[in-house]
Amino acid sequence: EPEVTQTPSHQVTQMGQEVILRCVPISNHLYFYWYRQILGQKVEFLVSFYNNEISEKSEIFDDQFSVERPDGSNFTLKIRSTKLEDSAMYFCASSGDRYAGELFFGEGSRLTVL
Amino acid sequence: ELKVEQNPLFLSMQEGKNYTIYCNYSTTSDRLYWYRQDPGKSLESLFVLLSNGAVKQEGRLMASLDTKARLSTLHITAAVHDLSATYFCAVESGATNKLIFGTGTLLAVQP
Repeated sequence: EPEVTQTPSHQVTQMGQEVILRCVPISNHLYFYWYRQILGQKVEFLVSFYNNEISEKSEIFDDQFSVERPDGSNFTLKIRSTKLEDSAMYFCASSGDRYAGELFFGEGSRLTVL
Repeated sequence: ELKVEQNPLFLSMQEGKNYTIYCNYSTTSDRLYWYRQDPGKSLESLFVLLSNGAVKQEGRLMASLDTKARLSTLHITAAVHDLSATYFCAVESGATNKLIFGTGTLLAVQP
């Protein structure tokens, strides 16, 4: 069964460092998303991406965040200068069709900022 | 802005009992999801509900959707310990079909 894969599964970084989280969406999917879940809290939408550009972003997705689809298969989330409060599980998701497509989530990347 | 409320936030129940988790949302949506999450794990999709009156069942879990009332329920029948997890509902919103999640219900089934 096709799946969304994410790497790394866990990353520990120092405050102020740059982090890149990687995702490989399901191959024929067109819509890509990043979500965040701080420990013990609900899942929050960060950004959606379609046709090589951001289509929607939340208030959380400030200038420290960026997304990219560099090579037609990977979909990355970059945090430029990490803060303690960026510690969370980050989930990538993809869907194939805006109107009929179900959303599929990856296993998540746990980011710990020290 | 769409708001999604779940209740209860925490549910402790005994094996063999029935209970219902409720998910209310504030504006019209085309699709509602129920997910299960074990501690430290990803989101496991349980149900996708598309239309008014939709009912889906899988094992001891049954989900329903009332779009007029903007309410979905997840009913647990004869709970077993293996069902212990956090359950989230999530509602599609906006032009990009992003999901707005509820606060989650932590279900603890006691033997």
